[in-house]
Amino acid sequence: GQQLNQSPQSMFIQEGEDVSMNCTSSSIFNTWLWYKQDPGEGPVLLIALYKAGELTSNGRLTAQFGITRKDSFLNISASIPSDVGIYFCADLFSGGYNKLIFGAGTRLAVHP
Amino acid sequence: DTAVSQTPKYLVTQMGNDKSIKCEQNLGHDTMYWYKQDSKKFLKIMFSYNNKELIINETVPNRFSPKSPDKAHLNLHINSLELGDSAVYFCASSQRLGQGGYTFGSGTRLTVV
Repeated sequence: GQQLNQSPQSMFIQEGEDVSMNCTSSSIFNTWLWYKQDPGEGPVLLIALYKAGELTSNGRLTAQFGITRKDSFLNISASIPSDVGIYFCADLFSGGYNKLIFGAGTRLAVHP
Repeated sequence: DTAVSQTPKYLVTQMGNDKSIKCEQNLGHDTMYWYKQDSKKFLKIMFSYNNKELIINETVPNRFSPKSPDKAHLNLHINSLELGDSAVYFCASSQRLGQGGYTFGSGTRLTVV
């Protein structure tokens, strides 16, 4: 089935550092989405990308839709303790009815 | 007002029991989903309903039966619970089918003992 390869699996950083994570696929997608899950909560949409090459920011977060349409990255600048959580990339798989499939997640820990 | 609300938040039950999880969304969305998150935090779609009609059934055992009485509600009933059913179950909704900005509930942690 469709698979999204997300890396790194986990990151431990100091407050104030910048963070980068990425997601790749063997298939071409028309949409890339990045979600964050806080402990005990459901995933929340951070950024949605709809066009190859698109670069979008949301506060300290920046995400890009790769030119090949097979990858995306998410950067967080000047991390703060509340950035802790699991970050998921996701794509709309359009085989049959559209469904959102998720990468395995990047677990981020931020030390003050 | 919570956009997508699930009840209960926690559910502990014995093997073999039958249980239900309820979900309601007040966003006016057409499409609702159930996702399962396993112990490794992997999220997998189980079902999707569009305007009360079942759209996706992702090879889930037939012990799991979703029911959508109206487009604002999607409940999940599980018969004959097994240890492997222990997971966090998330309800989600989207404005329409094929739109990726899902809104998730806060999850129901099911523990089967």
